[in-house]
Amino acid sequence: GAGVSQSPRYKVAKRGQDVALRCDPISGHVSLFWYQQALGQGPEFLTYFQNEAQLDKSGLPSDRFFAERPEGSVSTLKIQRTQQEDSAVYLCASSLAGFGRMNTEAFFGQGTRLTVV
Amino acid sequence: AQTVTQSQPEMSVQEAETVTLSCTYDTSENNYYLFWYKQPPSRQMILVIRQEAYKQQNATENRFSVNFQKAAKSFSLKISDSQLGDTAMYFCAFMKPIIQGAQKLVFGQGTRLTINP
Repeated sequence: GAGVSQSPRYKVAKRGQDVALRCDPISGHVSLFWYQQALGQGPEFLTYFQNEAQLDKSGLPSDRFFAERPEGSVSTLKIQRTQQEDSAVYLCASSLAGFGRMNTEAFFGQGTRLTVV
Repeated sequence: AQTVTQSQPEMSVQEAETVTLSCTYDTSENNYYLFWYKQPPSRQMILVIRQEAYKQQNATENRFSVNFQKAAKSFSLKISDSQLGDTAMYFCAFMKPIIQGAQKLVFGQGTRLTINP
């Protein structure tokens, strides 16, 4: 596709519900990142994939958060048993380069705004 | 750990004026990258300009330029001849070039810039 696509754009979940957020990166991009952006704050790193391998998940806030990219393209961020503090915009970004090459530009999607009520 | 600080939560100027957004960062690294991203209401993060720390020359992109002071760890963004379309949140971001690992962005808290007609 022409850019990074995320769906849904908005999601309202009841506390305790499981949610799945989808990211379609730019075709051919090796690296894929997920960021969490709380209201009025800058994005914070959650996790990183190089192709299908999840190489860094140090930013995931709890074991309720799980991400996958099984075929090295589309990625899904899953949040189990959602809590109110999970309310945020979830941004996905992709970039062309992988290990050993500089990722000097990450392309972002429009994010999914998750509201937990 | 790296930190990025934007001390101006909000700024407002008249159309065609020049505005400067401030950013400071803290790192012990000698080689790194700095970025300014724009986030309009659509939520998509758009790269405005980037600077490699090893380059002494300040980066410029049309109406956008930076004042990079490495010793002071300061990285300000100047927008000349501001336009209504420049209205957005602006985020300063830091990236450490890692050969093996997630080249993740560390963002500041953002500055909300409003250009008034």
